[in-house]
Amino acid sequence: SQQGEEDPQALSIQEGENATMNCSYKTSINNLQWYRQNSGRGLVHLILIRSNEREKHSGRLRVTLDTSKKSSSLLITASRAADTASYFCATSTDSGGYNKLIFGAGTRLAVHP
Amino acid sequence: DSGVTQTPKHLITATGQRVTLRCSPRSGDLSVYWYQQSLDQGLQFLIQYYNGEERAKGNILERFSAQQFPDLHSELNLSSLELGDSALYFCASSVGWAGATEAFFGQGTRLTVV
Repeated sequence: SQQGEEDPQALSIQEGENATMNCSYKTSINNLQWYRQNSGRGLVHLILIRSNEREKHSGRLRVTLDTSKKSSSLLITASRAADTASYFCATSTDSGGYNKLIFGAGTRLAVHP
Repeated sequence: DSGVTQTPKHLITATGQRVTLRCSPRSGDLSVYWYQQSLDQGLQFLIQYYNGEERAKGNILERFSAQQFPDLHSELNLSSLELGDSALYFCASSVGWAGATEAFFGQGTRLTVV
């Protein structure tokens, strides 16, 4: 079963607007990652935030993590048409002493020129 | 280019058949993971290897098996294929344990079962 669940499932915005995607998870995590997938292609890592961090920035990306609420958000500022893709959160959880990297169902982002 | 190579890129086969998907991880990466992505769905974790040994299993069917070889490349074997097995199969690799560092994904193998 999925560990993370993204919200919303789909998001449609205009270029220049900000896009916010949320991820909720169920069990304690070691860290949380965000990935991007262009249609039918492999996933590309965006950012990793550790369980003891609250916020992280990378270019136009801002990720927050609230372990008390078991949730994370990804903010893309000043979006561009090229940001159109699916975005997934992935959590690292312990599995009998070894970590598993489990992905959520993703948010499909469409940025219109 | 992520450095992870998956072959073949596309595969069309009939129900009941067996196929083997191959993955070469990035140089130096010890962990290999396999995921299944059905149309417009999220990634389902199948199995993970670290330095040749199975480390974690997800929702992998008994008809599916995998292994990681001494040279660290991995193969995913799918047998008695059904229409519902049609999906994108991704391999990913990372230096260390799953999630400790970023994972690098291959471009996937698109399997179509007819």
